[in-house]
Amino acid sequence: GAVVSQHPSRVICKSGTSVKIECRSLDFQATTMFWYRQFPKKSLMLMATSNEGSKATYEQGVEKDKFLINHASLTLSTLTVTSAHPEDSSFYICSAREASGAFTQYFGPGTRLLVL
Amino acid sequence: KQEVTQIPAALSVPEGENLVLNCSFTDSAIYNLQWFRQDPGKGLTSLLLIQSSQREQTSGRLNASLDKSSGRSTLYIAASQPGDSATYLCAVMMDGQNFVFGPGTRLSVLP
Repeated sequence: GAVVSQHPSRVICKSGTSVKIECRSLDFQATTMFWYRQFPKKSLMLMATSNEGSKATYEQGVEKDKFLINHASLTLSTLTVTSAHPEDSSFYICSAREASGAFTQYFGPGTRLLVL
Repeated sequence: KQEVTQIPAALSVPEGENLVLNCSFTDSAIYNLQWFRQDPGKGLTSLLLIQSSQREQTSGRLNASLDKSSGRSTLYIAASQPGDSATYLCAVMMDGQNFVFGPGTRLSVLP
């Protein structure tokens, strides 16, 4: 099946710094990528939907200036957590949907962010 | 607004038992429903996908059913094994775009 990778798998940073997380579709082109956030023992919450070449659509309550999303190519989307704070610590998971028009989404392995 | 719930929140069973995980959703206008498995600290593994026009899907020891009109789905796991221990997430897709996830059921299968 299709593979989605995320880098880094885990990151620890100091409060106030910015962290970039990459999501790549390895063997298919993804016109749409989704970013989810998961708190410990909680389910996934959709943060934003990004379409290649256009601005991301953010879910209600998600600060777009805090979580910058760029989807510059059909295989790469990035999420940048700006001026990270301890409450941003979470598990971030991306998913990608094929450009073929099928609605199947493939999920990445996730990135664990810890802000000290 | 679509809401997805899962019962039970946690389940512990001895190896070999058959078990049923339940998922309910409030808006029946779904595109499809998918069951995922998530191991601790890991991403999601898709188990079964049921299109809105389908009633059930089977894969090995897993069987998922869908009753769209009543807003319910069940995941049946036969002859459970310790390797089945994980969190099982139910998710519904709305309009072929976004998933709405349930809170998950944490399953422990004891050897």
